[in-house]
This record gives sequence, C-alpha cells and structure tokens, in this order.
Amino acid sequence: DAGITQSPRHKVTETGTPVTLRCHQTENHRYMYWYRQDPGHGLRLIHYSYGVKDTDKGEVSDGYSVSRSKTEDFLLTLESATSSQTSVYFCATKDRALYEQYFGPGTRLTVT
Amino acid sequence: DAKTTQPTSMDCAEGRAANLPCNHSTISGNEYVYWYRQIHSQGPQYIIHGLKNNETNEMASLIITEDRKSSTLILPHATLRDTAVYYCIVSPSGAGSYQLTFGKGTKLSVIP
Repeated sequence: DAGITQSPRHKVTETGTPVTLRCHQTENHRYMYWYRQDPGHGLRLIHYSYGVKDTDKGEVSDGYSVSRSKTEDFLLTLESATSSQTSVYFCATKDRALYEQYFGPGTRLTVT
Repeated sequence: DAKTTQPTSMDCAEGRAANLPCNHSTISGNEYVYWYRQIHSQGPQYIIHGLKNNETNEMASLIITEDRKSSTLILPHATLRDTAVYYCIVSPSGAGSYQLTFGKGTKLSVIP
C-alpha cells in the first residue's frame, strides 16, 4: 500500500450543496488521480495531477474541480452536487519511477 | 471506445490455475498491457504489466502473444481470496504519468 487515505469514507449530501473529498498520501508520489466508479461502468478518470498546482481534466470532468497545493493532498470538489454524481470515488497515486498506480479505499458519496 | 475485450465472468476451482484472457487487437507499439484487480468494494490493486515479453511476479504470470493482440493473466494456484474483478488495460506509456481506462473486466469466482 502507498499510504493513501481518503476522507470522508461515506457522505450523504443534498442536491445543490458543495462537497469536497480529500485524498492524502504519505509516499511523496508525484502523480495523483481521481476516478469515479458506477454500476455497469469501470473506473473513469475525473481529473489528475502531475505535480503541485499542475492538474488536467480526465474523461468525466464536467461538474468537478480539483486542487493540489501540497504534494500529499489532492482535493476533489463538487461545486453544486447533483444526483448523477452519486458514486464511489477512488483516489490513486503513482511515482515517477514506477509503472503501477496505487489506489485508496474509496469514498461512497450519495447525493439526495 | 473499448480497447480491450474480456469475458464477463469465469469460474475456477480452488487450487487450480486461473487463466484470464484479454483481446487487445488494436494495441499500438508503445502501449503496455496492465492487469489490475478489484476485490469487492476495495480500491483496484495492481497485479502485473508487460510490453512484449512474458512477465512473472509473486502474484501472477502474464503471457503476451507474439503479435501482441492478446494476452493471458495466469494465477497459478487460485485461492478464495483471488475472487475479484480483473481488469486488462492498455495504456500508452509506462513510467511517467499515464491514464488508465478501465473496462468492465472479468469477474473471477474461485470455487471451493
């Protein structure tokens, strides 16, 4: 394990409210990723970061923003949550010299 | 667009070898084949990767055909803890940042 924690692990929120999910790593990996997983779909990339303050969009970035002010933290924000953003969110990290990505335990988000 | 094709599900008897096939007929010369698995509700776990040659590690073996259009992941002695969804992924780079595009994978059930 790459020492990845996600918080909160579970959250229920109402439509229209802002939500921030946090990914924290202790391995000093350069790259960090946010994925979502829905029934019937594999994991889909939302945003990723290739360094502090360097981020880019993934396949399903609409409605999400990210920030990375420190190497160890990567935040995912839903500015105004919608029911379609009900999902399980996984964070992942990767070191520059490695081939594999390491995944966190996931955050289950329910938007009512 | 799906870059890989895997069977939806497979069964394997405990203690026997599990052979999971994957077709990736449109793979490019610089794309690697990665295998990850996801045990129920957990984050995906890296298993193995390869470019051209067969690879083996403590978890599994990866056999890539000479034309690189298909591969097989082999779990030599499957246990109940190997029950999971297995994802075959092709990705354009190894080291450095790269995106993983997950399909639906193969649900492997190891039967006592």
